[in-house]
This record gives sequence, structure tokens and C-alpha cells, in this order.
Amino acid sequence: DAGVTQSPTHLIKTRGQQVTLRCSPKSGHDTVSWYQQALGQGPQFIFQYYEEEERQRGNFPDRFSGHQFPNYSSELNVNALLLGDSALYLCASSLDLGPQHFGDGTRLSIL
Amino acid sequence: KNQVEQSPQSLIILEGKNCTLQCNYTVSPFSNLRWYKQDTGRGPVSLTIMTFSENTKSNGRYTATLDADTKQSSLHITASQLSDSASYICVVSEGSGGSYIPTFGRGTSLIVHP
Repeated sequence: DAGVTQSPTHLIKTRGQQVTLRCSPKSGHDTVSWYQQALGQGPQFIFQYYEEEERQRGNFPDRFSGHQFPNYSSELNVNALLLGDSALYLCASSLDLGPQHFGDGTRLSIL
Repeated sequence: KNQVEQSPQSLIILEGKNCTLQCNYTVSPFSNLRWYKQDTGRGPVSLTIMTFSENTKSNGRYTATLDADTKQSSLHITASQLSDSASYICVVSEGSGGSYIPTFGRGTSLIVHP
């Protein structure tokens, strides 16, 4: 039984570019949450998707957007990348509001 | 503003010893509190979850306590092992009626030496 899988594992972009990160939830889960974790910090909640809609959103600008597909997988899109967007991006899946299972993240570096 | 403060920031102990990590929060309204273990380069793994009515929860050598009146939680690790070396993160969620907004602490970095 595969857990939460994220791709790619590492990514390097330059300022102003756009990036798309992908997440496949654990089998049986229908809810996907995205987090940003800067080095040495705890994860910050970006948003949560349920039934293909954004259900909750943290304090992140509109440059951060997402999507959930009918198979419950999800994408995180970030436009107009800034140096400060360099971080580990974590995806977590759950069955509705149940316990979350995290993937190992995508390490995004902005040059 | 919702906040979760953890202490100590880092901790070094010898294998076999016990330790206690602290978490203070100001999240309101309170929904639940979770402790996660995060190994370097990996995603967090849930250890315990407690709601308002629970004041203790165990998972093997890990025991979490919650005092909802003082808004404090602790994670006690018994008979530490080298594999316990990791960051331990306290997460408090606010909301009710299906709402879910989590606030993460910065974590306590634990190093267990042989």
C-alpha cells in the first residue's frame, strides 16, 4: 500500500518562473493539504483540497494556487517565484479531517 | 494570532535516558493537538493526537499529555534509542464544525548519543 508520493523530489528554478508540484494521496484518502517548510522552521499551512475544491486556506498570497483531480491527486502551483519561496513543500493526505499522512516533500530551490 | 511555542529548541541526551519536550499554544478555538516526528529529509509522521477531553495519550515509548486549561502539552520519551534522533513537532488545530486550520511549532531537535 503506497503512502503519499510527491514529485519531483528536488527542483531548481529562477526568480519569476512558475512551478508545479504534484502529490498522490495514500490509498483511500480523499483530502490533500499542502505545507511550506522553510529551513529550520515548522511547516506552514498553505491550503487544503476536498472534493476538488479548496476548503481551507492559510496566509499565503494568490501566487500559490492548487488543484485536486477526480482521483484525489493534487497539484500545487506557484507563480512569479521569489527567493523566499525556497523551501520544502510537503503534501499530506487524509480521509476527510482524519489523521494526516505526509509525503517526503519536494525541495524547491530558487536561484 | 495563533502561536505554538516549543522548548527546548534542541536537546542532546544519552541512549537509554528519558526526556520531556514542551509545547505551549495560544490557538483558539482549540480542536486538537498532535505530536509529529520528522526525520531529516523526510515528511512528519504522526505520534499522537489529543482532543480537548483527553489529557494523556501513549504510543509505545512516547507519552503525550495535554492541559487544556493552561494550554500546555508535553511529549515524554522513555528509554531513548538512537533512532529517536529527529525533530519533534507540536501541531495545534483550531476550529469547529468541520473547520481545520493547523498551526505548527518550530520543533525540538533531539539528538540521542550512544
